[in-house]
Amino acid sequence: NAGVTQTPKFRVLKTGQSMTLLCAQDMNHEYMYWYRQDPGMGLRLIHYSVGEGTTAKGEVPDGYNVSRLKKQNFLLGLESAAPSQTSVYFCASSYVGLAGGPEYFGPGTRLTVT
Amino acid sequence: AQTVTQSQPEMSVQEAETVTLSCTYDTSESDYYLFWYKQPPSRQMILVIRQEAYKQQNATENRFSVNFQKAAKSFSLKISDSQLGDAAMYFCAYGRAGTASKLTFGTGTRLQVTL
Repeated sequence: NAGVTQTPKFRVLKTGQSMTLLCAQDMNHEYMYWYRQDPGMGLRLIHYSVGEGTTAKGEVPDGYNVSRLKKQNFLLGLESAAPSQTSVYFCASSYVGLAGGPEYFGPGTRLTVT
Repeated sequence: AQTVTQSQPEMSVQEAETVTLSCTYDTSESDYYLFWYKQPPSRQMILVIRQEAYKQQNATENRFSVNFQKAAKSFSLKISDSQLGDAAMYFCAYGRAGTASKLTFGTGTRLQVTL
């Protein structure tokens, strides 16, 4: 099992550019999540999904969109990047029905918006 | 809104010794979960231990154990026989039951392990 993988690992964008972060998991998990981590702060939930074809907003969803067309993939999109979106982005996944909380995290994507 | 507070930005422990990391939280809910995650220099978050609020027994995972004080809203992590590989950022997190695991994280405690 590869677990949770994220593509790309690093990216630099100019303000206004768009990009998509890809998260993939091979554990047949129903739940998938996107978090961002800023210096001196814990993770904050951007969007999450409870199954294929479903998405929902988390704590800080503005400026991001997501899609879950396939169960194993969860995409995070930035339509018009802003410097405030400079952060490290983590994808995570978990089973349905287990005690709550993402169990498996990807290695992160470091995004810089200039 | 729920809040999670980790009042120790940094802690240090000698190898083979025991260290306790503090976490307090604020909630009006009765059914929830608490977690400790480890983030080593590789950055990848690792679930260390979780506790269901309805369980009185403290969770343990090998050298890691928690002291869960529900009335005091306290959830500390004890690491016994500390190893160099335990050096990392440790995050405490709270999740309300039935909310698709939308966790609230603390700001983290950086643990150093010295020889």
